[in-house]
Amino acid sequence: EVQLVESGGVVVQPGGSLRLSCAASGFTFDDYTMHWVRQAPGKGLEWVSLISWDGGSTYYADSVKGRFTISRDNSKNSLYLQMNSLRTEDTALYYCAKASGPQQHGWFDPWGQGTLVTVSS
Amino acid sequence: EIVMTQSPATLSVSPGERATLSCRASQSVSSNLAWYQQKPGQAPRLLIYGASTRATGIPARFSGSGSGTEFTLTISSLQSEDFAVYYCQQYNNWPQTFGGGTKVEIK
Repeated sequence: EVQLVESGGVVVQPGGSLRLSCAASGFTFDDYTMHWVRQAPGKGLEWVSLISWDGGSTYYADSVKGRFTISRDNSKNSLYLQMNSLRTEDTALYYCAKASGPQQHGWFDPWGQGTLVTVSS
Repeated sequence: EIVMTQSPATLSVSPGERATLSCRASQSVSSNLAWYQQKPGQAPRLLIYGASTRATGIPARFSGSGSGTEFTLTISSLQSEDFAVYYCQQYNNWPQTFGGGTKVEIK
């Protein structure tokens, strides 16, 4: 069974930093592009970032570009999101999601259960 | 960026009835469209990809259609477990974008 388990979400002050992790199991991790998608409380879904299967390509939403860094460790079947210069509008449930394949365009399946990041003073 | 518009925002349906959800893209996305279901407190679940292909384990009462800019998700006979929020997502153009969602509620 494919499983994605996020961790690392906490309450952090504006301007602070945080690193989210996603532990993957049940599939060949380094065969797939991976994504982060977020959902602000009571709102819709917003794609945040992706990383190619080998970590060689990364992309970001304009809203987080220059502040967030996605990475992966294929030896540990793990995905990460380093979040710097956090803003109140970054408050959201952050999901990691497996892409449909090694390609960068595709659907997301499955999703983890999410980890909550709250940016507040 | 392609804007995905879902309608209606809320759909009130009685159990056993048909539900028809719409998703419109601001420009053509070919058939590169997915649908997700999200229940309260749960992560989104993939229902449909390629506009019309059901994901593994998805019941046949869910069907998707359309191409280009106009797409439809149909639930042929609503079950109690189908009351949820549904999102469409295009993956034809960069960046991949989601619609705002349609909440299907019990009438």
